[in-house]
Amino acid sequence: GAGVSQSPSNKVTEKGKDVELRCDPISGHTALYWYRQSLGQGLEFLIYFQGNSAPDKSGLPSDRFSAERTGGSVSTLTIQRTQQEDSAVYLCASSPRTGAEAFFGQGTRLTVV
Amino acid sequence: KNQVEQSPQSLIILEGKNCTLQCNYTVSPFSNLRWYKQDTGRGPVSLTIMTFSENTKSNGRYTATLDADTKQSSLHITASQLSDSASYICVVSAASGAGSYQLTFGKGTKLSVIP
Repeated sequence: GAGVSQSPSNKVTEKGKDVELRCDPISGHTALYWYRQSLGQGLEFLIYFQGNSAPDKSGLPSDRFSAERTGGSVSTLTIQRTQQEDSAVYLCASSPRTGAEAFFGQGTRLTVV
Repeated sequence: KNQVEQSPQSLIILEGKNCTLQCNYTVSPFSNLRWYKQDTGRGPVSLTIMTFSENTKSNGRYTATLDADTKQSSLHITASQLSDSASYICVVSAASGAGSYQLTFGKGTKLSVIP
């Protein structure tokens, strides 16, 4: 596609359920970032993938959070046993190897009730 | 560790007034710096890019500055409009080895322009 695509755009889930958020980066972009924005808060780094290198997972807030990137393209962020504080907008961005610019998806708004 | 710090965290100004947003970084080796605008409910989009040799760059009512010595950048908005209400995010690119580059994102400044 022409841009970064995230799905679903909105997700409401019950506390304790698992959720999967998907990110389709721009074709050919080697770098992929996951961030989240809680209500009224700034961007919070979660995880960074670059090519075939080991991902930088230093931003994942707990072991309930995990992410993978299959074939260097699509990425899935999984949150297990969701809690209300997980409610946020989850943003995905991709960039080319040159790091010239990050292109963001529209985000997934996750609401845990 | 590469870091990008933005200030203020939030800002409220009257329509028509000017404002300046700050970005300090410790990213190295520096490649470029971009300011992004994120409207409510949307993904961030690029406003301007600054490379090492550039001190000032304008995009309409937006003017970005870069001081590579002090590792500071600012985004100045002139004659603010209600549509300027958004989050502004500073993103710095640095070489991370093997020909690839890593981006470090600031947390953003939330600007509210009120009538």
